[in-house]
Amino acid sequence: DADVTQTPRNRITKTGKRIMLECSQTKGHDRMYWYRQDPGLGLQLIYYSFDVKDINKGEISDGYSVSRQAQAKFSLSLESAIPNQTALYFCATSDLWGNEQFFGPGTRLTVL
Amino acid sequence: DQQVKQNSPSLSVQEGRISILNCDYTNSMFDYFLWYKKYPAEGPTFLISISSIKDKNEDGRFTVFLNKSAKHLSLHIVPSQPGDSAVYFCAASLIYNQGGKLIFGQGTELSVKP
Repeated sequence: DADVTQTPRNRITKTGKRIMLECSQTKGHDRMYWYRQDPGLGLQLIYYSFDVKDINKGEISDGYSVSRQAQAKFSLSLESAIPNQTALYFCATSDLWGNEQFFGPGTRLTVL
Repeated sequence: DQQVKQNSPSLSVQEGRISILNCDYTNSMFDYFLWYKKYPAEGPTFLISISSIKDKNEDGRFTVFLNKSAKHLSLHIVPSQPGDSAVYFCAASLIYNQGGKLIFGQGTELSVKP
């Protein structure tokens, strides 16, 4: 079984809809991250959490919110989706030092 | 402001030859560097890393070189194999100041032809 799972894997939605992307991990890591990947831009950090009570904004947090429900679960929400949020979204986890991050398989989100 | 840059979007290499992927950074405070490999429809997977106190790290066919004065790192794959065809991302970290947040480059798509 995969250590980091993301649901859904693919989602098509309409402008203005609320969307939640979910991430679960079995690695026992405290740190979790949400990234988006756009062509030619690499991966950009949206939000990160160093433990259940710690939430931090990344480089591109506008239009997104997160919830850390438990050590193993970290959800990303788009309150009112817009077309330029069409992208690949990745969840990742790391141990205390964060030297290596382990990524989920990604969610492909399309906002029409 | 792109702090980590991979200026070659793509690279094509013959099987058996050396692949050299390059990465430049602007922040001299970065203290840890990583390379990730990504296949289509999968998440990135860690490949190799190097601390800023070293200038070389080797793992099998993969070697990462760090030139701090030039703010440049490179990944060498020798010999290249068709299974190495993927997108490669370099990433940099400020471990002691920002707890391991990674700044990624844009990626280089490597194609290894048989």
